[in-house]
Amino acid sequence: AQSVTQLGSHVSVSEGALVLLRCNYSSSVPPYLFWYVQYPNQGLQLLLKYTSAATLVKGINGFEAEFKKSETSFHLTKPSAHMSDAAEYFCAVSDREAAGNKLTFGGGTRVLVKP
Amino acid sequence: DSGVTQTPKHLITATGQRVTLRCSPRSGDLSVYWYQQSLDQGLQFLIQYYNGEERAKGNILERFSAQQFPDLHSELNLSSLELGDSALYFCASSVASRSGNTIYFGEGSWLTVV
Repeated sequence: AQSVTQLGSHVSVSEGALVLLRCNYSSSVPPYLFWYVQYPNQGLQLLLKYTSAATLVKGINGFEAEFKKSETSFHLTKPSAHMSDAAEYFCAVSDREAAGNKLTFGGGTRVLVKP
Repeated sequence: DSGVTQTPKHLITATGQRVTLRCSPRSGDLSVYWYQQSLDQGLQFLIQYYNGEERAKGNILERFSAQQFPDLHSELNLSSLELGDSALYFCASSVASRSGNTIYFGEGSWLTVV
């Protein structure tokens, strides 16, 4: 069975500082990986996804993530945090060999941006 | 706006009651998914339908059921409700059911059981 672990349920960063959100996955085969963002009182919005092309994936709003098979990681970064980045971020995995393509989510990391 | 529409946005009901949550997927999407988000369980996959047929099943209770209609909208039925069923229920859709397809989420239906 697949699983996703997000290290740190809360992260606080200063505006303009680097945002680093950690995600490690467990899967018997290389999975597809996703990062979603949830703003208050809204649904989940896709930031980026890895589907076995380039290991460095660029997403929306200046975010990017790097797939590292040896570390089973898919950490999300943004060079300079903005106040509007305050939200909850979810890493998710999809089994490419399973029927259907349901997502298994990590526990989420809530980001607080300090002025 | 993801294009996935969920109704109602908020619902308060009593224990033991039954409710129906409705979802309209994005135009052209054949796959519909239901997820439950709660503080203690996080985001849990409930069930997936593809073009009217059940495709995958997750942690869905026997008291819960879902279906996808010929016009591709879906309904999630929750019965014999308990306090612990209070959660945010998301519907999501994608164009197909192949892994790697982007899944788009609605804004959710907040269910409060009192």
